Amino acid sequence: EVQLVESGGGFVKPGGSLRLSCAASGFTFSNAWMSWVRQAPGKGLEWIGRIRSKSDGGTTDYAAPVKGRFTISRDDSKNTLYLQMSSLKLEDTAVYYCTTGTVGLYWGQGTLVTVSS
Amino acid sequence: SYELTQPPSVSVSPGQTARITCSGDALPKKYAYWYQQKSGQAPVLVIHEDTKRPSGIPERFSGSSSGTMATLTISGAQVEDEADYYCYSADSSGNLWVFGGGTKLTVL
Repeated sequence: EVQLVESGGGFVKPGGSLRLSCAASGFTFSNAWMSWVRQAPGKGLEWIGRIRSKSDGGTTDYAAPVKGRFTISRDDSKNTLYLQMSSLKLEDTAVYYCTTGTVGLYWGQGTLVTVSS
Repeated sequence: SYELTQPPSVSVSPGQTARITCSGDALPKKYAYWYQQKSGQAPVLVIHEDTKRPSGIPERFSGSSSGTMATLTISGAQVEDEADYYCYSADSSGNLWVFGGGTKLTVL
């Protein structure tokens, strides 16, 4: 059974940093492209970015609002996906989901990040 | 930046056909995907590659695409289909992905 478990959410002040983790199981993580998607309270889904498998170059793509501030990485030895967020803004407040692939067939339960002074 | 446009809301009576549209300039060359999200839950993929239904998704869900518009059709909508629906696709480069703004489907 595929499982994705996000962690690391919490409260952070504007300008601060936070690292989210997504622990994956039930599939061959090293072969998978992975993505992050967020949802602000009461709002729609927003694609943040993705990371390719190492065999496909391990490169990343980001949405314009987070490019240069957020970094997606992976540790295949730990079956874990990361989202390093810096220079956080109020508008980054959201539930953050990790998903398998670029088109997420499987999603985690999400972790809430609240940016507030 | 690339955008996908959906109607904010669609309302049908139980048993009627619900159609949710999604327009985007790159849709003639890029597949559309559709997600269902019920309140407080993670999204569920209901249509991929314009027309394909993942395992476990009821047959009343179908998808189509023509030109710059993709459509999600729910034939014989049921009360349990009430949810927000999002289309999802890539820009012409294939490297930037976007969701539509979402459509709230009401079945009553």
